[in-house]
Amino acid sequence: DTAVSQTPKYLVTQMGNDKSIKCEQNLGHDTMYWYKQDSKKFLKIMFSYNNKELIINETVPNRFSPKSPDKAHLNLHINSLELGDSAVYFCASSDGTVLYQETQYFGPGTRLLVL
Amino acid sequence: DAKTTQPPSMDCAEGRAANLPCNHSTISGNEYVYWYRQIHSQGPQYIIHGLKNNETNEMASLIITEDRKSSTLILPHATLRDTAVYYCIAPYDMRFGAGTRLTVKP
Repeated sequence: DTAVSQTPKYLVTQMGNDKSIKCEQNLGHDTMYWYKQDSKKFLKIMFSYNNKELIINETVPNRFSPKSPDKAHLNLHINSLELGDSAVYFCASSDGTVLYQETQYFGPGTRLLVL
Repeated sequence: DAKTTQPPSMDCAEGRAANLPCNHSTISGNEYVYWYRQIHSQGPQYIIHGLKNNETNEMASLIITEDRKSSTLILPHATLRDTAVYYCIAPYDMRFGAGTRLTVKP
């Protein structure tokens, strides 16, 4: 069984569109994260949710809106997509809430290309 | 800028030990050092973590200096499948840095 899964794996879309990426974890963890990995390969945290509550919100445009229907799911909705949003987006989960002091388990990534 | 520093790249011969260094000179006394790796464009994979004692698991060993200012990840018998980017993470960085790109060669 896949511990952290993401859909879709690939997403190609036009500028200005709205799209969503879904993430699910079956590890029973309380905390989930969204990361963005850009073309320079730096992995930057975007959001973190603990038990459906937002605990980390880095400097991310408000076109990005995470939603956590339950603690096993964290979805990322992106409005008015821009070329600069092209990247790989990773979902992760951990048991605790202390960033980088808990083992994180990552999903396979969603490769977003905005044309 | 990240205060955790790693060499950008290293090579290792297949079957030999790969020793990957990391400097984390401003780490606090109760902060763990974590290591992850990212194979090609897959999601990062947890390897090992430690506080001040040396640690070993089925994937690797972690040697932390007594002053905790640096650590070394050891892959005892590197294989071609260990070719990846290896990240050393400390909490104060608040991000994954550039890591070390390890290339295992036949």
